[in-house]
Amino acid sequence: GAGVSQTPSNKVTEKGKYVELRCDPISGHTALYWYRQSLGQGPEFLIYFQGTGAADDSGLPNDRFFAVRPEGSVSTLKIQRTERGDSAVYLCASSLVPGLQNTGELFFGEGSRLTVL
Amino acid sequence: KNEVEQSPQNLTAQEGEFITINCSYSVGISALHWLQQHPGGGIVSLFMLSSGKKKHGRLIATINIQEKHSSLHITASHPRDSAVYICAVSPSGGSNYKLTFGKGTLLTVNP
Repeated sequence: GAGVSQTPSNKVTEKGKYVELRCDPISGHTALYWYRQSLGQGPEFLIYFQGTGAADDSGLPNDRFFAVRPEGSVSTLKIQRTERGDSAVYLCASSLVPGLQNTGELFFGEGSRLTVL
Repeated sequence: KNEVEQSPQNLTAQEGEFITINCSYSVGISALHWLQQHPGGGIVSLFMLSSGKKKHGRLIATINIQEKHSSLHITASHPRDSAVYICAVSPSGGSNYKLTFGKGTLLTVNP
């Protein structure tokens, strides 16, 4: 696609439910990043994929959070037993294969706003 | 103390004014990003720089590696420039993909 696409744009769920958030990166971008942005804060790193593998998942807050990218393109962020504190905007970004020095230019999706009641 | 600090947090300007947003960081970096976020959450990358200065239209970004400081300038500001501007750094070393973000500067340009 022309840009990074994230679905759903808004998700309201009840505490304890399971949620999946989807990210479709720019075609050809092998690097994919998930960030979480709480109200009034800057985004925080969650996980980085290089191709199909999670190169770094150290930002995932706990084991209720998991992400996959089985074919090296679309990624799904999965949240089990949601809690009110999980409410945030979940941002996905992609870039071409990162150079040795930096991530390369990042292209962000519009984000998925998750509200846990 | 955050590794990336932006100032000011909020900025209100009149159309046509010259605007400067500052970013200071405390870690070694391989690159610094300036991003624009509009209401609703979408983020657009404005600049990625590791030295010197870049210009795109009315936007100018500068970085001083020795002083660990970057500035984003907007000339002839316009109401459509109203947005949150975020500074983010790629730390040097193996985890350069793990961006650290500032909290953002909310810019409002009044007509």
